[in-house]
Amino acid sequence: GEDVEQSLFLSVREGDSSVINCTYTDSSSTYLYWYKQEPGAGLQLLTYIFSNMDMKQDQRLTVLLNKKDKHLSLRIADTQTGDSAIYFCAGGANNLFFGTGTRLTVIP
Amino acid sequence: DTEVTQTPKHLVMGMTNKKSLKCEQHMGHRAMYWYKQKAKKPPELMFVYSYEKLSINESVPSRFSPECPNSSLLNLHLHALQPEDSALYLCASSQEGTEYGYTFGSGTRLTVV
Repeated sequence: GEDVEQSLFLSVREGDSSVINCTYTDSSSTYLYWYKQEPGAGLQLLTYIFSNMDMKQDQRLTVLLNKKDKHLSLRIADTQTGDSAIYFCAGGANNLFFGTGTRLTVIP
Repeated sequence: DTEVTQTPKHLVMGMTNKKSLKCEQHMGHRAMYWYKQKAKKPPELMFVYSYEKLSINESVPSRFSPECPNSSLLNLHLHALQPEDSALYLCASSQEGTEYGYTFGSGTRLTVV
């Protein structure tokens, strides 16, 4: 598998933007993904980006990809309390490997 | 149907028990996966089935035995587990490869006593 690193915790106030960062080592992934996991639940695919793109916007979500620096980020605009969860970036050429996860806490 | 269904949702078993986890999908996906997730950790890949054949075993102990009876079903047979095997076991499916991401089930929370 590859090494995929994320910062462990992020706290933001409701209505602010959240930015979750991810760095990875293996650049052979065709797609890179963001998954959301709520307490006690499985993983929900939020969005993904093709490796030859540098940005993708999907409603409140913006994904930025810097292939040169092997850095991926997820920006959530107008963060809501329902966005509180753990966010995993994931990638892999043949099978999916996950980052360490970032726990996002939204303060009302 | 765009879901992966896992049963049971919770399972408590003794170290001498034999039990099975079940996973089902009807999306026509030809690849299915078992992941293990310990608390506060990311999911770790255990097994990959592609076209009903085991293609990857990530050095998983033999007390975990996967089975793919057909293209819609994936089982994980458990025998003589240890307390450290307690975790959330996640099943996923995909079109072959990672292009479209994986669809995950909600998991089976296993406790070994």
